[in-house]
Amino acid sequence: GESVGLHLPTLSVQEGDNSIINCAYSNSASDYFIWYKQESGKGPQFIIDIRSNMDKRQGQRVTVLLNKTVKHLSLQIAATQPGDSAVYFCAPSMIKAAGNKLTFGGGTRVLVKP
Amino acid sequence: KAGVTQTPRYLIKTRGQQVTLSCSPISGHRSVSWYQQTPGQGLQFLFEYFSETQRNKGNFPGRFSGRQFSNSRSEMNVSTLELGDSALYLCASRAGGKDSPLHFGNGTRLTVT
Repeated sequence: GESVGLHLPTLSVQEGDNSIINCAYSNSASDYFIWYKQESGKGPQFIIDIRSNMDKRQGQRVTVLLNKTVKHLSLQIAATQPGDSAVYFCAPSMIKAAGNKLTFGGGTRVLVKP
Repeated sequence: KAGVTQTPRYLIKTRGQQVTLSCSPISGHRSVSWYQQTPGQGLQFLFEYFSETQRNKGNFPGRFSGRQFSNSRSEMNVSTLELGDSALYLCASRAGGKDSPLHFGNGTRLTVT
């Protein structure tokens, strides 16, 4: 089955700096990828998504890069703010697969230092 | 538009009891999924409902069940609770096809003692 980096590394970032969060996935059939942010006591919050026919997508202060060759995607957060402190998850999926099942990795904890 | 609403937010139950959790999806969303989140296992898929039918099921024992009503609201039930069932249970809904994101509620924190 799908496996996504099952560890919880921590990224410590100075406020105002850029953050880069990485995610490796194993299933080459994955064609839709979502990034979520989870703050303490809350559910995962949708940040940005990207389909496999793209290699880059930008949102407000965030950019997702997809490298299908090495099965890797990254989330870049520009000018990191204290409110960006959270756990970030990537969730690869297959659009044509039955159902809504998403496979989440263990996430990356981002700590923003003032 | 209101987000996904889950009730209750917190529950404490005793081993052997059963529990029912409730989820109201975002208005207009017909697909509802349930996930279990624990520190050790992370986020794991439980099941998914669409138009009152279970469309997909994760690798959980039969003690975990769910249903969806005609108004898209969903419930999940866990019978004969075990200590290991202590977790955050998250409900998510989706508007359109599988190339649209799931939107999560804030979960129900279940503690089994």
